[in-house]
Amino acid sequence: GAGVSQSPRYKVAKRGQDVALRCDPISGHVSLFWYQQALGQGPEFLTYFQNEAQLDKSGLPSDRFFAERPEGSVSTLKIQRTQQEDSAVYLCASSAYGGGGAGELFFGEGSRLTVL
Amino acid sequence: GNSVTQMEGPVTLSEEAFLTINCTYTATGYPSLFWYVQYPGEGLQLLLKATKADDKGSNKGFEATYRKETTSFHLEKGSVQVSDSAVYFCALRLNQGGKLIFGQGTELSVKP
Repeated sequence: GAGVSQSPRYKVAKRGQDVALRCDPISGHVSLFWYQQALGQGPEFLTYFQNEAQLDKSGLPSDRFFAERPEGSVSTLKIQRTQQEDSAVYLCASSAYGGGGAGELFFGEGSRLTVL
Repeated sequence: GNSVTQMEGPVTLSEEAFLTINCTYTATGYPSLFWYVQYPGEGLQLLLKATKADDKGSNKGFEATYRKETTSFHLEKGSVQVSDSAVYFCALRLNQGGKLIFGQGTELSVKP
């Protein structure tokens, strides 16, 4: 379909492994967001891109988390040396609009990461 | 800081009952307010929104009114259906940066 696509849908990692989560936004969407959703909680903001520029990374919990969107389309969230507290669903969302305002965000189904 | 607080779930109702899910917010500035819904096995979907005080958002029989004086955006539906069973998230968005700030979610279960 034409929605936001995330892969893998499920990832199990051993503590200390590196993982990479991919997001394919809706074609042409300017803004891209990553959120982390712990079990039973609301999504927490991680980082925001406008095209290829990472304008806000204030929500990244540590320097083990890194996100990129080199060509302003597909984005990758990388987590190095995973810890058990990184276990969560990672959500990607995109919007046709840049900056602020009330433009609708379209969410992917998420990548569920389990760290053993 | 900016935050959203929702009533805790789970909320269990019988079909055709009246639904209210409370949501209050704290924000610096004038946020836009949203309700998102997450059906089992699906991604978050926008349910409704309001961008300024006294606006009413509505969709699929759900309504919420932006109340600046009480900093609230309560979700209501007059007659729920089994298909409304889902987790509902209240959220705010400030004009700068565009990120959404979510509440913790309220699970709704509607029994036939």
